[in-house]
Amino acid sequence: KQEVTQIPAALSVPEGENLVLNCSFTDSAIYNLQWFRQDPGKGLTSLLLIQSSQREQTSGRLNASLDKSSGRSTLYIAASQPGDSATYLCAANYGGSQGNLIFGKGTKLSVKP
Amino acid sequence: KAGVTQTPRYLIKTRGQQVTLSCSPISGHRSVSWYQQTPGQGLQFLFEYFSETQRNKGNFPGRFSGRQFSNSRSEMNVSTLELGDSALYLCASSVTGTGWEETQYFGPGTRLLVL
Repeated sequence: KQEVTQIPAALSVPEGENLVLNCSFTDSAIYNLQWFRQDPGKGLTSLLLIQSSQREQTSGRLNASLDKSSGRSTLYIAASQPGDSATYLCAANYGGSQGNLIFGKGTKLSVKP
Repeated sequence: KAGVTQTPRYLIKTRGQQVTLSCSPISGHRSVSWYQQTPGQGLQFLFEYFSETQRNKGNFPGRFSGRQFSNSRSEMNVSTLELGDSALYLCASSVTGTGWEETQYFGPGTRLLVL
């Protein structure tokens, strides 16, 4: 069964700290992996998409890496800010349609001023 | 460019009733997917539509159905509501849904409460 797991479920850090969120997937035959952000009661905002042929993607203070052989992806957030507080979800695409994503349950991040 | 819109935003129903949720994708997007989000199960894929045809379906009972119109707008219907159907229902759109570099754009969701 294809599953995506995110650890930890919750994380609290002081402002300014660099942090890493983890995502693991059971089947390494993914086509791509996406990281999303979800604010309370809201929809998801796409942060980064890494194709299976790529090792990492960067956007501003965010850097996502992908290691298919180990079934892991990480999202690195540099110099965290209170506005980064949200739930971060990773989602794997195992082929077929992009619309059929398998999500982890997310890591709830709280950045304290 | 307007984002994905979902209506209604909030809904309260009672067990046994049926409900219809609506999703308007970003202009030019032809793929629309639906997800159910609950605290216990997280985000789970319901189904995906492309050019008015269901292209993929998740592991949900037949009480959950959907359709897509020629303008790419989509509706999902849940019949004979159960308490466990209480959830945030999210709609997402993308241009074709098959490009490996395509990003999914999500709407704000419809929060359904079944009493």
